[in-house]
Amino acid sequence: QLVLAQSPSASASLGASVKLTCTLSSGHSNYAIAWHQQQPEKGPRFLMKVNSDGSHSKGDGIPDRFSGSSSGAERYLTISSLQSEDEADYYCQTWGTGIRVFGGGTKLTVL
Amino acid sequence: QVQLQESGPGLVKPSETLSLTCAVSGGSISSSYWSWIRQPPGKGLEWIGYISNSGNPSYNASLKSRVTISVVTSKNQFSLKLSSVTAADTAIYYCAREYNGWYYFDYWGQGTLVTVSS
Repeated sequence: QLVLAQSPSASASLGASVKLTCTLSSGHSNYAIAWHQQQPEKGPRFLMKVNSDGSHSKGDGIPDRFSGSSSGAERYLTISSLQSEDEADYYCQTWGTGIRVFGGGTKLTVL
Repeated sequence: QVQLQESGPGLVKPSETLSLTCAVSGGSISSSYWSWIRQPPGKGLEWIGYISNSGNPSYNASLKSRVTISVVTSKNQFSLKLSSVTAADTAIYYCAREYNGWYYFDYWGQGTLVTVSS
């Protein structure tokens, strides 16, 4: 079964960096995923797609502070030089034939 | 720039059918896959289903018996119908475009809140 696991929460200080993790279920370690950001009281916004080889492609207007990487079944979103507006929920998403799957989301707090 | 806009009643009675429409501008409805996603208050995102560029739908297994997604090509719109709703269907409903060939959501609507209550 295709499942994505995310830690419910993360925190980091203003100006620091943070690395969020999304873990693919067993047997699906070669899947690409997408990261979406949801700021408070707003709809989700596509950030980037991350491939199994760690390459990534970002959406329009996404700052260079956002980057993606991979290791095995884990897909990462790294945000550097944290700003207050980065405080948001971050969801990973993947897909299979006839199915689309979201992780449970990580709530990022910027201290 | 692709834009999506959800519309439909904000209040639906229990046991009735929820109906929403997503109007697409800046892109052809026939050239992509289109999905509906929902988010109950304070909770995460749940994929409801998609309709392909050839008009074939696929639904979340947990909702499959109650969901219909269809497209109106002439209006560049697609729609969602969810039957026999209960309070558990109260959520913000989003429509989204899937990036061609990769199936991630690259454009989202702003969302519309639907409350199920008598």
